[in-house]
Amino acid sequence: EPEVTQTPSHQVTQMGQEVILRCVPISNHLYFYWYRQILGQKVEFLVSFYNNEISEKSEIFDDQFSVERPDGSNFTLKIRSTKLEDSAMYFCASRLLNYGYTFGSGTRLTVV
Amino acid sequence: GQNIDQPTEMTATEGAIVQINCTYQTSGFNGLFWYQQHAGEAPTFLSYNVLDGLEEKGRFSSFLSRSKGYSYLLLKELQMKDSASYLCAVRIHSGNTPLVFGKGTRLSVIA
Repeated sequence: EPEVTQTPSHQVTQMGQEVILRCVPISNHLYFYWYRQILGQKVEFLVSFYNNEISEKSEIFDDQFSVERPDGSNFTLKIRSTKLEDSAMYFCASRLLNYGYTFGSGTRLTVV
Repeated sequence: GQNIDQPTEMTATEGAIVQINCTYQTSGFNGLFWYQQHAGEAPTFLSYNVLDGLEEKGRFSSFLSRSKGYSYLLLKELQMKDSASYLCAVRIHSGNTPLVFGKGTRLSVIA
């Protein structure tokens, strides 16, 4: 069964550093998303992406965040200057038309 | 704002049936999803309802009433591996719109 692949599975970074989280969505999917889940809390939407541009973003997705689809397969989330409160599980998801959103296995980001 | 409510925790016995409820008040509605999430793992898709009624898929069924803003997930013949969080999520609009998640219901299946 096709999968959404995320790397790395776990990243530890110092406060103020930049991190790039990588995702390879399912190849024929058209819509891409980043979500985050702080430990013990609900899954929260960050940003959606379609046709090489951002479709929608939440209030969490401020100027420290950016997304790119640099080469037609990878989909990246960059956090420019990490803060302690950015520590969370970050999930990439993709979907085709009206079908279920398929989530990747996530990157656990720990900011110290 | 968008509001999706589900019980925080439930406990059920192996072999039994459990019903997890979800109510929503959202600015629009274009489908309701149920996901299963084991601790530390990704949510995995269980079901999708956009019209009223019951959708059955093996041991899992999901029901939707749009007029009541209500859904439930029914799990039959519970197994220990069903211990997980069950997430109710609503798609507000059509097109490239994200899912809005509830806080999830942590289900513990006991022997």
